[in-house]
Amino acid sequence: EDQVTQSPEALRLQEGESSSLNCSYTVSGLRGLFWYRQDPGKGPEFLFTLYSAGEEKEKERLKATLTKKESFLHITAPKPEDSATYLCAVRWIYNTDKLIFGTGTRLQVFP
Amino acid sequence: DTEVTQTPKHLVMGMTNKKSLKCEQHMGHRAMYWYKQKAKKPPELMFVYSYEKLSINESVPSRFSPECPNSSLLNLHLHALQPEDSALYLCASSQIILAETPEGETQYFGPGTRLLVL
Repeated sequence: EDQVTQSPEALRLQEGESSSLNCSYTVSGLRGLFWYRQDPGKGPEFLFTLYSAGEEKEKERLKATLTKKESFLHITAPKPEDSATYLCAVRWIYNTDKLIFGTGTRLQVFP
Repeated sequence: DTEVTQTPKHLVMGMTNKKSLKCEQHMGHRAMYWYKQKAKKPPELMFVYSYEKLSINESVPSRFSPECPNSSLLNLHLHALQPEDSALYLCASSQIILAETPEGETQYFGPGTRLLVL
């Protein structure tokens, strides 16, 4: 069965301590991979769309990369306001109507 | 502008009530979605509309009834809900369901409606 797995489930960082979040997928035929940030009680906020292996996208302290089997969200010198749950979701070419979400990584950044 | 708006922000209803959730976007998107999200879980797809026509119903109970009056609006009518239906209800939109590139399929979410069923 096609799956999306995110790790770690939770991550605690000191302010300024860079790290990476992982999203791995067993989907055959990736059509697109999407990263979202979600604050408690709010809707997911779109961050990045990736679809080609080797692709990289950046936004402020965030950088998303994609390989054939996984994506990484790198957070450089995080600040407390980066604390949120980060979700990845994939669409594949054989079932294009649906986004398949991972379970998310809960990031806490302490000052 | 990638804004999707939802009203109300919060809703408390009894199991015999009828209420509606509303969603609006002015990005010219022709695909709109309803999701349900429980605490510490990812969003679960409920319905998909494409060009104002229902495209997907993920086996959602009939007490949830979607409606797409025009290309900018999406409603979710609620009737005889159960306490386990309490959740965050999210609306999203994308340019279309299948685009030339995944950028056109990117879904933008609204802030959600927090629903509590007593």
